[in-house]
Amino acid sequence: AQSVTQLGSHVSVSEGALVLLRCNYSSSVPPYLFWYVQYPNQGLQLLLKYTTGATLVKGINGFEAEFKKSETSFHLTKPSAHMSDAAEYFCAVREYTNAGKSTFGDGTTLTVKP
Amino acid sequence: NAGVTQTPKFRVLKTGQSMTLLCAQDMNHEYMYWYRQDPGMGLRLIHYSVGEGTTAKGEVPDGYNVSRLKKQNFLLGLESAAPSQTSVYFCASSYRASGEETQYFGPGTRLLVL
Repeated sequence: AQSVTQLGSHVSVSEGALVLLRCNYSSSVPPYLFWYVQYPNQGLQLLLKYTTGATLVKGINGFEAEFKKSETSFHLTKPSAHMSDAAEYFCAVREYTNAGKSTFGDGTTLTVKP
Repeated sequence: NAGVTQTPKFRVLKTGQSMTLLCAQDMNHEYMYWYRQDPGMGLRLIHYSVGEGTTAKGEVPDGYNVSRLKKQNFLLGLESAAPSQTSVYFCASSYRASGEETQYFGPGTRLLVL
């Protein structure tokens, strides 16, 4: 069975500061991992994904995430926050044996202060 | 190329009423999914379809029915709406379900059941 835990439902940073959103997963097989962003009143947009290969994954808008198997983590980072990064972020896990069904974390709301 | 579209965008129902939510995709995707999103929670899978004419239950299927008569459309039905079905509903699609495939999300349908 697959599951996702996002640590911290709300994260607040100052503009220009480091963004760190935490995600831990559980999976019985090698997982595929995803980060999505959701702006108010919009659908989810893929930020980045890890499937195989390089464990440091770069995504859109300057975000990146590192897959750490030993820690079962897939934390999302961005070196310098921008006001436009304010949104809700979801981590998701998918097992290739599971008909493409994703399990989502509860989400982390990122607030960026000027 | 519109991607994934959902109809309607917003609806208010009274308890016991029925309605159908329409999801359409123009990317020739085989797989389609219906999720619901509730405050403080991630997306939960209601039903999904692995191809035209086939559907399967997800994590929270009770009170919903679905149909996939055409490859590009995936309908979600509520036969007798209940206040517990107040939520935001998202449709998604992907070309395959190999796990690494990107899921594309629609903009959502906000449903309020009084």
